[in-house]
Amino acid sequence: SAVISQKPSRDICQRGTSLTIQCQVDSQVTMMFWYRQQPGQSLTLIATANQGSEATYESGFVIDKFPISRPNLTFSTLTVSNMSPEDSSIYLCSERPGDTQYFGPGTRLTVL
Amino acid sequence: GENVEQHPSTLSVQEGDSAVIKCTYSDSASNYFPWYKQELGKRPQLIIDIRSNVGEKKDQRIAVTLNKTAKHFSLHITETQPEDSAVYFCAASRGGSYIPTFGRGTSLIVHP
Repeated sequence: SAVISQKPSRDICQRGTSLTIQCQVDSQVTMMFWYRQQPGQSLTLIATANQGSEATYESGFVIDKFPISRPNLTFSTLTVSNMSPEDSSIYLCSERPGDTQYFGPGTRLTVL
Repeated sequence: GENVEQHPSTLSVQEGDSAVIKCTYSDSASNYFPWYKQELGKRPQLIIDIRSNVGEKKDQRIAVTLNKTAKHFSLHITETQPEDSAVYFCAASRGGSYIPTFGRGTSLIVHP
């Protein structure tokens, strides 16, 4: 399995501000993934973070709202920009060494 | 793209009973089917998976069956215990660089 850590584990933010979430994995991987899980819902892929190139965003998610950095093969950040209460959710970092998706502990974000 | 349907959304059983969660998928090229367990406030964790060249796989009290012809797969938990209470997600993937598609989740409640 994979060892994945995220910071912060939770945060409460004001409307209109931005939050950057950090993700660290224990092995070098080509792709890292960012998911959103709204309360009581399934896992929705936001984007795939590729080292050395632009992130690939899923339908409904845009770079201006969710900019992603991938400076090396073990680290990535996701920023949630200009937040609104609708952004309140759990954000999960993920990696896939092989076919299996492994998830970080998540960042629980509350926007007031 | 792939579409995964999962049923039921909620399942309530008595301790010691069996529980069955069913998923169907649409992409006949999918060949990897993982199941995840997510306890309250925790990350989704892989509990068992099956590949399309196998019809059934067991691990102690849990088993997964796959019917490729009908494009459905199921999770079976026997002798349920209160610690089995969680949300369970199925997923389907073509493997390799393909990102898995997740079902909507089943909330399993095991009453002591």
